[in-house]
Amino acid sequence: GAGVSQSPRYKVTKRGQDVALRCDPISGHVSLYWYRQALGQGPEFLTYFNYEAQQDKSGLPNDRFSAERPEGSISTLTIQRTEQRDSAMYRCASSLRYSAGEQFFGPGTRLTVL
Amino acid sequence: GQQVMQIPQYQHVQEGEDFTTYCNSSTTLSNIQWYKQRPGGHPVFLIQLVKSGEVKKQKRLTFQFGEAKKNSSLHITATQTTDVGTYFCAGRVDSSYKLIFGSGTRLLVRP
Repeated sequence: GAGVSQSPRYKVTKRGQDVALRCDPISGHVSLYWYRQALGQGPEFLTYFNYEAQQDKSGLPNDRFSAERPEGSISTLTIQRTEQRDSAMYRCASSLRYSAGEQFFGPGTRLTVL
Repeated sequence: GQQVMQIPQYQHVQEGEDFTTYCNSSTTLSNIQWYKQRPGGHPVFLIQLVKSGEVKKQKRLTFQFGEAKKNSSLHITATQTTDVGTYFCAGRVDSSYKLIFGSGTRLLVRP
């Protein structure tokens, strides 16, 4: 079956522009997570959804970052007024439910802010 | 804040040698997971450990969770070139939804 998909795979933008990153989780997965992964580092938690409810957004770096999952399926991570320090790989993961353990990661979106 | 430290950062071994990576948390974990990320790929789940002192095996891989539930290890016996990648531990505290990932151990295997 289809895994977690993310789009775009690569995004190059100029400083100050807004970007929207999309995640399509595995069908039927209740839990959805966003992570940011710097080169040579482990994924860093950003936010978590259970169905459409954003349960935890404590990992979002500042108020330029926001996420939504309006229908409990596809999720969008939006970064407003991008800065060079936002450049990273943004990964989405889903799991059957939060207690299920195994998280399935998508291929990620490589964001470069010039 | 909570941290999960992982050592070593890199390990370069000859094919057939054993490999071990260690993970330590600053706080007690409710469970710990291990993931493998191939070069250019995404993290792939290997296993979850929940109980104090738990040991699980998957073929040549042995996973341990410490008695105090603050440390864990992954041991690979007789490495193969297919084992190349970065191994991450990821811990969860209490009923938190968050997984806190370690910085990973990158394994390189010389054929």
